[in-house]
Amino acid sequence: GDSVTQMEGPVTLSEEAFLTINCTYTATGYPSLFWYVQYPGEGLQLLLKATKADDKGSNKGFEATYRKETTSFHLEKGSVQVSDSAVYFCALSVNTNAGKSTFGDGTTLTVKP
Amino acid sequence: SAVISQKPSRDICQRGTSLTIQCQVDSQVTMMFWYRQQPGQSLTLIATANQGSEATYESGFVIDKFPISRPNLTFSTLTVSNMSPEDSSIYLCSVEAATDNEQFFGPGTRLTVL
Repeated sequence: GDSVTQMEGPVTLSEEAFLTINCTYTATGYPSLFWYVQYPGEGLQLLLKATKADDKGSNKGFEATYRKETTSFHLEKGSVQVSDSAVYFCALSVNTNAGKSTFGDGTTLTVKP
Repeated sequence: SAVISQKPSRDICQRGTSLTIQCQVDSQVTMMFWYRQQPGQSLTLIATANQGSEATYESGFVIDKFPISRPNLTFSTLTVSNMSPEDSSIYLCSVEAATDNEQFFGPGTRLTVL
């Protein structure tokens, strides 16, 4: 079956530090890949996505590149802010799976001033 | 994009009672999904709700415990029946975008069972 493995957290960084959250996946078909973010007390919202190999998704200074050869979709940001403190979920969705998404366990990021 | 609202946003319930959560979408969608997010954990899909047919439940979830209605293309309800403290979770409604398989989520219903 499909699965997503995320770097375990929690992650604590100082403001302006570099962020990497690792994500690897296994999929039975050709997946689309996503990063979702959940701010405290809120639901999930899409942060970025990539639908085919070598695509780079980007949003709000975050980036992730779809690496088919390593089955990875690592999230990066060059300079984090306190407002980036949230839980980040890597996820995949395969067209043949009736629209369902498979989520990683989530990584909690805390950015300190 | 889709805008999704859920009611209630949170509730505290007594053991043995039931709670119905409503999910409203601002556009017509074929499939709606119900997820559970237990404290500190990831999302687990409970079921997929299609309009005009019975919901499809994932392994470990049954209709008697989590009955779902889907009366039209913009609305669904999830009932958590005969609740126990183990049901304390955030329950999230979501829909799939028309393209690229991304999902839009409601704000969630935070349920605490005493």
